[in-house]
Amino acid sequence: DAGVIQSPRHEVTEMGQEVTLRCKPISGHDYLFWYRQTMMRGLELLIYFNNNVPIDDSGMPEDRFSAKMPNASFSTLKIQPSEPRDSAVYFCASSWTGREQYFGPGTRLTVT
Amino acid sequence: GESVGLHLPTLSVQEGDNSIINCAYSNSASDYFIWYKQESGKGPQFIIDIRSNMDKRQGQRVTVLLNKTVKHLSLQIAATQPGDSAVYFCAEGVANTPLVFGKGTRLSVIA
Repeated sequence: DAGVIQSPRHEVTEMGQEVTLRCKPISGHDYLFWYRQTMMRGLELLIYFNNNVPIDDSGMPEDRFSAKMPNASFSTLKIQPSEPRDSAVYFCASSWTGREQYFGPGTRLTVT
Repeated sequence: GESVGLHLPTLSVQEGDNSIINCAYSNSASDYFIWYKQESGKGPQFIIDIRSNMDKRQGQRVTVLLNKTVKHLSLQIAATQPGDSAVYFCAEGVANTPLVFGKGTRLSVIA
C-alpha cells in the first residue's frame, strides 16, 4: 500500500488566494482526519470524516476553511481567502477504526 | 521542518543507551494510548499502542508503560540509535472519539 497520499507537498501563495489541499486515504480506511501543525500550537485536529460524512468540524478555525470528502478515496481542504497566519504544515491521516491513525507526508503551506 | 515547537522538552542520549520519554495525559477516562514518532519533514509515524486494561506492552526495541493511577505514560527505547532522533508524541483516546495529541518531546541521539 502506498500509504496516505497528499498533494501538493509544498504550496506558496499570496494572501487572498484560494488554496486547495488534497488527500487520498489508505484504501479501506473509513476515517479521514485533517490536522494543522505549527510551532506555536502543535498538532491541531481540524475536522474528521467517517464514511465520507463530516463528524466533527469544531477545530476548523473559521469560515475561510472548508473540507469535503466526495468519495472514499479523496478529500480536499480549502482555504479561501488565505492569510499569512494560515501558514503551517497540514496533515491528512486515515484510520480503519478511528483510533490508530496513519499520517500522510503533509503539505507545507506558506502564505505571503 | 516546522514540526516542533520552540519550547519542546528535549532529551539527549548517547548512542547505545536506553531512552525514556514521559507523557502525562489529562483524561482519566482515556482507554487507548499511542506513541508516534515524527522525523523532520515527515508526518507522525505510529510506533506502538496500549489499551487501558494493560500496564505494559513491548515491541521491537520499544516498551510502553502505563500508570493509570497517576495518568502517566512512558516510552522506553532500548539501545538508542541515531535514527531514533525525532519528536515523539503521545496521544490518548476515549471510545471512538479522535485522539488528543500531546505537545511532543524531542529526542537527540549523540553519536
